[in-house]
Amino acid sequence: EDKVVQSPLSLVVHEGDTVTLNCSYEVTNFRSLLWYKQEKKAPTFLFMLTSSGIEKKSGRLSSILDKKELFSILNITATQTGDSAIYLCAVEGGTGTASKLTFGTGTRLQVTL
Amino acid sequence: ETGVTQTPRHLVMGMTNKKSLKCEQHLGHNAMYWYKQSAKKPLELMFVYNFKEQTENNSVPSRFSPECPNSSHLFLHLHTLQPEDSALYLCASSPSAGSTDTQYFGPGTRLTVL
Repeated sequence: EDKVVQSPLSLVVHEGDTVTLNCSYEVTNFRSLLWYKQEKKAPTFLFMLTSSGIEKKSGRLSSILDKKELFSILNITATQTGDSAIYLCAVEGGTGTASKLTFGTGTRLQVTL
Repeated sequence: ETGVTQTPRHLVMGMTNKKSLKCEQHLGHNAMYWYKQSAKKPLELMFVYNFKEQTENNSVPSRFSPECPNSSHLFLHLHTLQPEDSALYLCASSPSAGSTDTQYFGPGTRLTVL
């Protein structure tokens, strides 16, 4: 059975800190790993990772995938209060029309002043 | 298992067919959601139900018709779909809508429209 585990479950940091969120997975026929940021409405897409060792970057956020050790990390540098959200990791596995997306339960990040 | 189940897991239908997707959550949540995940596109929110009442419809075409008979069950009725409607349809639930509670996702229904 496909599984995605995120850690920590929740985190409180001060503005300006750097945080690292973890996502480990077990999936049959890995296709991609996705990171989402969830605030009050639908999760918003952050990154899709398919290849090991290639860092994806968007502003203060970056992410990298290790397909050998089956995990990914999401880094946020110089955190701001607007980064407070739940960060979801999801892994797509399977082949063709049999693929599915398995979500972790998220890491709740709170950034305080 | 996240406590959210979806059936069927895969569905192939013609453009003139009528079918329904089913979602059930066993978490005691009051909010349920339908999302569409198309290839190479961000996750799209379709509908939100809070305490069985529809609170959000994100300009979804009328060929998609949701139904929420109780807080544990959510359906998506499909009729006269188009090939571009082929996608992964995800159901999620959370304790209530409009808060920052984690949404728990089901495994999705992979829909192919021929």
